[in-house]
This record gives sequence, structure tokens and C-alpha cells, in this order.
Amino acid sequence: GAGVSQSPSNKVTEKGKDVELRCDPISGHTALYWYRQRLGQGLEFLIYFQGNSAPDKSGLPSDRFSAERTGESVSTLTIQRTQQEDSAVYLCASSPWGVGTYEQYFGPGTRLTVT
Amino acid sequence: GIQVEQSPPDLILQEGANSTLRCNFSDSVNNLQWFHQNPWGQLINLFYIPSGTKQNGRLSATTVATERYSLLYISSSQTTDSGVYFCAVEGEGGANSKLTFGKGITLSVRP
Repeated sequence: GAGVSQSPSNKVTEKGKDVELRCDPISGHTALYWYRQRLGQGLEFLIYFQGNSAPDKSGLPSDRFSAERTGESVSTLTIQRTQQEDSAVYLCASSPWGVGTYEQYFGPGTRLTVT
Repeated sequence: GIQVEQSPPDLILQEGANSTLRCNFSDSVNNLQWFHQNPWGQLINLFYIPSGTKQNGRLSATTVATERYSLLYISSSQTTDSGVYFCAVEGEGGANSKLTFGKGITLSVRP
């Protein structure tokens, strides 16, 4: 079946511009996560959605970052007034819920470069 | 929050050799996963193993939850095994939400 998909795969933007990144989770997965990976580093958690519960935003680094999810499908991560330190790969993951496993499956990521 | 340490940070092997990668964590866990990040950046799921032992072909993993570590074994390594191996955990008491990642182990397998 189809895996997690993300778009765009690459995004180059000028400092100060807003960007929007998209994630399509695996069908039937009710949990969705965003992570960030800086060059040569491990992944950092950003935000988590599960069903109709309030999202866990505890990993968002500043109020320039926000995310939305439509029901149990598509999610968008928005970064306003981008800064050079926002340059990273942004990865989305999804997982099933309440069926004995919470294994997370990752998309290919969006590589964001802020010039 | 929970801490994850992976060792060794770098590993160079000759094709055909075996290796053991280690992941230590600082607290009890609900979830532990091993991933392989290939040279194109894709994270590939290897094992979902909060406890016990699993095997998949040349790879196997063991998590000893009571002693707070997990081991990933690679046997008869191949050049395609090269890449970065991440261990990621979610601490017990969490809501099956975020994973905390280690810094990764960079494996290079030489022909």
C-alpha cells in the first residue's frame, strides 16, 4: 500500500518568506507527527496529532511554526518569516492507534533551504 | 525527558563482517524502534521492539527493558547496509506520542 507522502520534496525560500509543507499519512493511521532533522543530527519532535484530541505542540521551536490537520488525513506545517536556522529536513510520520502497535512510519521528508 | 545514547558513533566494517549496535535509554519505555536512514535520507523501519527479540533476515534486535538497553545485530554485512542507524524511544507514561531519537550510528561497509 501507499506510504507516507510529503510535498514538496525540496523547497528553497528567501529569509522572511512563509512556507507551507504538506504531509499525507498512511490511510487509516489516526496519529500524525512532524519532526525536524538538521544536517548530521538526529530527529527532533515538533508536533503530534491524534484523532480529535488537542495536538501536542510542545516541540514547536517558536510561534513562527504552526500546523493543522484536516480530520484524520492531510496535515500542513507552516513556517512564517523563515530564518536561516529553519533550514533542515522536515519529516512527517504516521502510526495506527489502539490496535496493539504504535509503530511510526516516516515519509521521505521536505528539504527546506532558507537563503 | 528521556535520554537516548547510541554507540559506537561510527563503525567501519569489511563486507561479510558482523556487528552489534547499542542503544541505552534512561527510563522505562513504551515504544522503541530501530531505523536505517539510507543515503537519500529515507528512514526505513527495521524493528518495533519495546521488549524481547526479533529477527528479520540478516538483522536481529533484542531489547532488555529492565536493563534499559537495546542491541541491533547485523550479520554478513553488505555495502547496502551502509548509512545511519537510529534508535528512538518513547518514555513510559507518554501517550504513545513523540519519539526521542539518539544521535545515530554511522555505518560504512567496505567491499
